Amino acid sequence: DSGVTQTPKHLITATGQRVTLRCSPRSGDLSVYWYQQSLDQGLQFLIQYYNGEERAKGNILERFSAQQFPDLHSELNLSSLELGDSALYFCASSVDFAGELFFGEGSRLTVL
Amino acid sequence: GEDVEQSLFLSVREGDSSVINCTYTDSSSTYLYWYKQEPGAGLQLLTYIFSNMDMKQDQRLTVLLNKKDKHLSLRIADTQTGDSAIYFCAEGSGAGSYQLTFGKGTKLSVIP
Repeated sequence: DSGVTQTPKHLITATGQRVTLRCSPRSGDLSVYWYQQSLDQGLQFLIQYYNGEERAKGNILERFSAQQFPDLHSELNLSSLELGDSALYFCASSVDFAGELFFGEGSRLTVL
Repeated sequence: GEDVEQSLFLSVREGDSSVINCTYTDSSSTYLYWYKQEPGAGLQLLTYIFSNMDMKQDQRLTVLLNKKDKHLSLRIADTQTGDSAIYFCAEGSGAGSYQLTFGKGTKLSVIP
């Protein structure tokens, strides 16, 4: 158990819909990262937050957005969903910018 | 752009050594990582190496880095069935973010 909690574990929805994925980082970790894992693209970095503020942005679509709340949990919002958005979405956390990155077990999104 | 390549599959017999190879393109990489992903789980950091090192050993794991050729390898000695998993190579600049670039993973199958 990494200490990073992601909900829901599985989500099935239809094209055009909007979903929210939630992540609770390890206790004391200030940084939260979102990654997307798909069969064709592999693991892609989406976005990082540090202590509530966006720190780095990767290959995140405009239809996607994220935020980190004062209690340090984070949410990834995916809207106007397309079939190609089906993937495993991982959240990870770290204390700051050094040390180990801890991954949650992921949220598997299926868009039908 | 940045790219990390690794072979997709490796099969070894229990008790033998496994060697998983990885090549990367970003010469500014500061850290190189090996992660392990077991079925239904998130990624777990196995080990990492700074770009100014050429070898790191940690129990059954040996990491070799050839910075000139941008080649990284992970050797697992005395491979066990519990080592069956997907192994990801990743590189990062360490510039205040774990904006890591991952390879697509090597699936290691250990034959009893």
